[in-house]
Amino acid sequence: DAKTTQPNSMESNEEEPVHLPCNHSTISGTDYIHWYRQLPSQGPEYVIHGLTSNVNNRMASLAIAEDRKSSTLILHRATLRDAAVYYCILRLSDNNDMRFGAGTRLTVKP
Amino acid sequence: DTAVSQTPKYLVTQMGNDKSIKCEQNLGHDTMYWYKQDSKKFLKIMFSYNNKELIINETVPNRFSPKSPDKAHLNLHINSLELGDSAVYFCASNGGGETQYFGPGTRLLVL
Repeated sequence: DAKTTQPNSMESNEEEPVHLPCNHSTISGTDYIHWYRQLPSQGPEYVIHGLTSNVNNRMASLAIAEDRKSSTLILHRATLRDAAVYYCILRLSDNNDMRFGAGTRLTVKP
Repeated sequence: DTAVSQTPKYLVTQMGNDKSIKCEQNLGHDTMYWYKQDSKKFLKIMFSYNNKELIINETVPNRFSPKSPDKAHLNLHINSLELGDSAVYFCASNGGGETQYFGPGTRLLVL
């Protein structure tokens, strides 16, 4: 099974950028890389996804390594509302399943 | 408007009981899912349901059965509840794109 590896936790200061890393060394050529986040007591929320090229949207940026074995979610200016568990997920191309890992718990300090 | 809703939000019940959790999506999506999030916060897919095709995660006990009365609903029925079924259950939907929309979760506690 394709799996992802993320740090258990990270801390950031408010208004500073945050780089959340993810390793997915067993990724297949057509698996998409997704990021979701889960705020306390809520369901997961889509953040961003990509295949090969870096991606930007209003929430974040996704930087994908050239060999696709790792990626980094970038929050450009962390706010207190960004405190959540961030999941790096591979959407498997053969069955569209999304396999969630343990995620990274991001703490944002004022 | 809530895109994906679940009821109830909390469910406390005794071992051996049968219970259902309801899920509704108003997004017009064709595919719906059920996930289980255990105490260690791991999210695992249980079922996906698309145009009456059910794909089951082979690790899910057959005490769990999804029921879809129409495209907007995918309910989860659980027979003979066990202590280990205590978890948060999330419903989600997908309209064919890359994004899944999750409901707020149902917190099930089996005593």
